[in-house]
Amino acid sequence: EPEVTQTPSHQVTQMGQEVILRCVPISNHLYFYWYRQILGQKVEFLVSFYNNEISEKSEIFDDQFSVERPDGSNFTLKIRSTKLEDSAMYFCASTQAMKADTQYFGPGTRLTVL
Amino acid sequence: AQSVSQHNHHVILSEAASLELGCNYSYGGTVNLFWYVQYPGQHLQLLLKYFSGDPLVKGIKGFEAEFIKSKFSFNLRKPSVQWSDTAEYFCAVNKVGGSQGNLIFGKGTKLSVKP
Repeated sequence: EPEVTQTPSHQVTQMGQEVILRCVPISNHLYFYWYRQILGQKVEFLVSFYNNEISEKSEIFDDQFSVERPDGSNFTLKIRSTKLEDSAMYFCASTQAMKADTQYFGPGTRLTVL
Repeated sequence: AQSVSQHNHHVILSEAASLELGCNYSYGGTVNLFWYVQYPGQHLQLLLKYFSGDPLVKGIKGFEAEFIKSKFSFNLRKPSVQWSDTAEYFCAVNKVGGSQGNLIFGKGTKLSVKP
């Protein structure tokens, strides 16, 4: 069964550094999402992406965040200058065709900012 | 703003006990409803979903959920839990129409099943 994959599984970085989290959505999916979960808190929506542009973003997704689909398979989340409060689990998800369809999640990347 | 409430933070049951996890949402429009499960060390997996039709939906591993529109609820049930059901369970909704489908999650309920 096809799966969403994410790399790395764990990223440790120094405050102020840039990080790029990578996702490979399921191949025939068209809508892509990033969510994050700070330890002990809810899974929160960050951004959705369709047709090579951002469809919707939350208040959390400020100027330090960006997303890109650099090729036909990868979907990346970049955090330009990490802060301590960016430490969280970041999940990528994708849906097949229709928005508001079932989202399939990747295993997540645990980001630790020191 | 829309929100999802899961009433129980941690539920501890013995094997064969019945399970009901509560989920309520606040949104007046039409929603799709989901329960996801996260087993220890694994990623979020879809247990079941409700889009329309029969409000009683059946999912994988013997789980079911009932959508009660008047109560804005989508409670998850299983008649007899197993040790392997130990996991964290998340209720989620998204709005139908107007949104690109971003999910709004509850805080999750951790289920521990004692063998």
